[in-house]
Amino acid sequence: GENVEQHPSTLSVQEGDSAVIKCTYSDSASNYFPWYKQELGKRPQLIIDIRSNVGEKKDQRIAVTLNKTAKHFSLHITETQPEDSAVYFCAASIRSNFGNEKLTFGTGTRLTIIP
Amino acid sequence: EADIYQTPRYLVIGTGKKITLECSQTMGHDKMYWYQQDPGMELHLIHYSYGVNSTEKGDLSSESTVSRIRTEHFPLTLESARPSHTSQYLCASSETLYSTATDTQYFGPGTRLTVL
Repeated sequence: GENVEQHPSTLSVQEGDSAVIKCTYSDSASNYFPWYKQELGKRPQLIIDIRSNVGEKKDQRIAVTLNKTAKHFSLHITETQPEDSAVYFCAASIRSNFGNEKLTFGTGTRLTIIP
Repeated sequence: EADIYQTPRYLVIGTGKKITLECSQTMGHDKMYWYQQDPGMELHLIHYSYGVNSTEKGDLSSESTVSRIRTEHFPLTLESARPSHTSQYLCASSETLYSTATDTQYFGPGTRLTVL
């Protein structure tokens, strides 16, 4: 089955600086890569996703890049703000004509923004 | 409002008791999932369902069982609770789309279970 590794497990950055979280996956058939943000005591929520037919996607201060050859994808957060402090999870799955198969999640990165 | 609901939100129970964690969604989604998560830690898939009368075990071995008799309802049952079952249980749902539109999984608020 799919295996997703995520690094680093913890990350602290100064407010205003950029943060990068990296994930690698094992199954070359995986073609859908979402990122979830989980604030303390709250449920995980999707913040951005990318499919294997594109190499980069941006949404305001967040962006995701995908390297299919190397089987890794990364989350980039620019101009970080205190509200970006949370645990971030990457995930991978295979999307077929029947919709997405189950997600395999990474182990999470605890991001702390230092004011 | 379309959402995913879980009850109870908190449960403290003694060893050996049978418990059922409820999950309902009003989003019209066909797929539903149960995850086990210690606070802020990795999400472990324990059960999933792609539709009524369809259930599968996830990646993490679990002593729980699930049923899917109605599209909107996906309860999880522990026949005999043990302290090792102490954790947070998150329910999620997603929609099968045949286009390139979103395949987002939406999560419920979770049930925090403590077994004494």
